[in-house]
Amino acid sequence: GAVVSQHPSRVICKSGTSVKIECRSLDFQATTMFWYRQFPKQSLMLMATSNEGSKATYEQGVEKDKFLINHASLTLSTLTVTSAHPEDSSFYICSARDPQGLGYTFGSGTRLTVV
Amino acid sequence: LAKTTQPISMDSYEGQEVNITCSHNNIATNDYITWYQQFPSQGPRFIIQGYKTKVTNEVASLFIPADRKSSTLSLPRVSLSDTAVYYCLVVFPGGGNKLTFGTGTQLKVEL
Repeated sequence: GAVVSQHPSRVICKSGTSVKIECRSLDFQATTMFWYRQFPKQSLMLMATSNEGSKATYEQGVEKDKFLINHASLTLSTLTVTSAHPEDSSFYICSARDPQGLGYTFGSGTRLTVV
Repeated sequence: LAKTTQPISMDSYEGQEVNITCSHNNIATNDYITWYQQFPSQGPRFIIQGYKTKVTNEVASLFIPADRKSSTLSLPRVSLSDTAVYYCLVVFPGGGNKLTFGTGTQLKVEL
């Protein structure tokens, strides 16, 4: 089936620095990708919808200037957490629609820890 | 977007059949019902999708009554490795539609 590759799997950064997370669709093109955040023992919360060649659409309450999304190609979307703070520590997951129509395929997630 | 309701947690033993029911009273005519499985520190994994009646694949079965206001995911003969969170989602299958996750059901399988 379709595979979405997400990197890095884990990252630790200092407060005030920025972190970039990459999400790549392997062997298929994804004009739309989705970014989720998941806190411990909670469900996935949609942060934004990434659209190739245009601006991302952010969910209510998500700061677009803090969570920068770039979808410059049909196979790559990036999420940059700018000026990270400890409260941004979370599990970030990207996804794209499976081109074969079998739901959505998710990346393996990125555990971000801000110290 | 149709809201889903499912039990917060369920316990089972190896070899048993597990049925997780999800309520989606506001499902729209064109919506499909999809189930995902998530292990700790991993992204969700697609399990099964259906529109009505019964769907079966190598992993699970999905039962959907005629009114489609609920659905039941059936996992035959569970093992310890089936311990995970299971999410029921209702989604319009058109391209680019976002998924809204509910609380999910934490299934714990013991020996």
